[in-house]
This record gives sequence, C-alpha cells and structure tokens, in this order.
Amino acid sequence: DTGVSQNPRHKITKRGQNVTFRCDPISEHNRLYWYRQTLGQGPEFLTYFQNEAQLEKSRLLSDRFSAERPKGSFSTLEIQRTEQGDSAMYLCASSPVIGQGVAFFGQGTRLTVV
Amino acid sequence: AQSVAQPEDQVNVAEGNPLTVKCTYSVSGNPYLFWYVQYPNRGLQFLLKYITGDNLVKGSYGFEAEFNKSQTSFHLKKPSALVSDSALYFCAVRTMFSGGYNKLIFGAGTRLAVHP
Repeated sequence: DTGVSQNPRHKITKRGQNVTFRCDPISEHNRLYWYRQTLGQGPEFLTYFQNEAQLEKSRLLSDRFSAERPKGSFSTLEIQRTEQGDSAMYLCASSPVIGQGVAFFGQGTRLTVV
Repeated sequence: AQSVAQPEDQVNVAEGNPLTVKCTYSVSGNPYLFWYVQYPNRGLQFLLKYITGDNLVKGSYGFEAEFNKSQTSFHLKKPSALVSDSALYFCAVRTMFSGGYNKLIFGAGTRLAVHP
C-alpha cells in the first residue's frame, strides 16, 4: 500500500498521560499536514511541514502539542498531559509540491482520553 | 476570512434517484474547491476539484460538481445514487499562506444516506 499510513489507528489514554502518533506520507511528497476532526465537524488544520521544516502552526496547537518531521519523511505528533478535550480523530495528509493542492489523507488515529 | 458552508447535515435519497449535496464558500480571490468523501473507519478520499476552466467538473465514482461563481456555490451531484454512496461528504476550499503554500478549510460535512 503506497498511501498515507498512520499508527496507531486507535489510542485510549488516561488524562494527564503523553501520547505520540506517527504518520508515514506518500513517498516523495514534500508537504505534510496534520488535521484534527471532532465528531460532527470537518477536519481542522493543525500544522504544516515542507520537507523537515515546520512552516505553519494553527492556534489550535497549544503548547502541549508538538510535531516533528526530522528527516523530511515520517512525522510524529505528540500531545503532553492529555485532556479530555483532546479526544478526536487526528488525520495526516501529504501532497506533492505540484498537483494543485490535492492532499491525500491517512485513515487517522482516533484518540480517546478517559 | 475564508470559509465553507454545508447547509445540510444529512441528505436522504432513494437508490437510482439523482443526488445533490450543497456547498457554498467565501474566499478572497479565485477559489480552489474540493470534495472529499469519508467512509466509516476510513480516511478522507479525494473525489474531485475545481481550479479553473469548465464549471462542470467530473470526478471519481460518477460524481460531478458544478461551480457557480455568482452564487459562490460548488454543489456535488450524481445522476443516479447507489447505496454504496452512503458516506460523509466534505467540501473544502484551499487557502494560501503568505509563503505560497496552502491548507484546506473544510465544511462541517453532510451525511448522505441512500436507501434501497
């Protein structure tokens, strides 16, 4: 499968614990995005990488959130001291530099904070 | 501010009938518009896009969308619905950052239910 891969698919954690999600984009896609989707809402932009550089962060991304893409390939999203309000689906997407903005999404990681 | 509105939470259609899922947008400049579909436990799948040119855009699985600049709309259509089309549909508009890269702004989604 050459699509965007996200792990884990599901994560249940206790409030206050740290969690980390991984995204493997389509190979050779320079651009990588993280979105968050809550029930009944469309995906909301969190952050954007071009290669290894994090070029944009949403105000939704509080200080407890950090994202990396160390070698310009896979990316990780870490949430520290999780809160119940962090429960959501976290989606990763990638796109090539060309291609008129079409982003290809992974299946997402569903986080439940109890 | 750029935004997308999907006025219907749910659309119900009988199999074989035509379907329309509505989307309106607000952008500055020329819009780049997209439709994505989300099946249960699946990621978002790209259906079609409008960048420029013909106002009627054809996409995957027999779907098409009509761009209407005067009404700022980009409605998704299909001539004959299938039960397997039942899913969550998202309209999105691309917005540009100052550095020339972009992100998508999504509507809240419309659940399409096709009944046999």
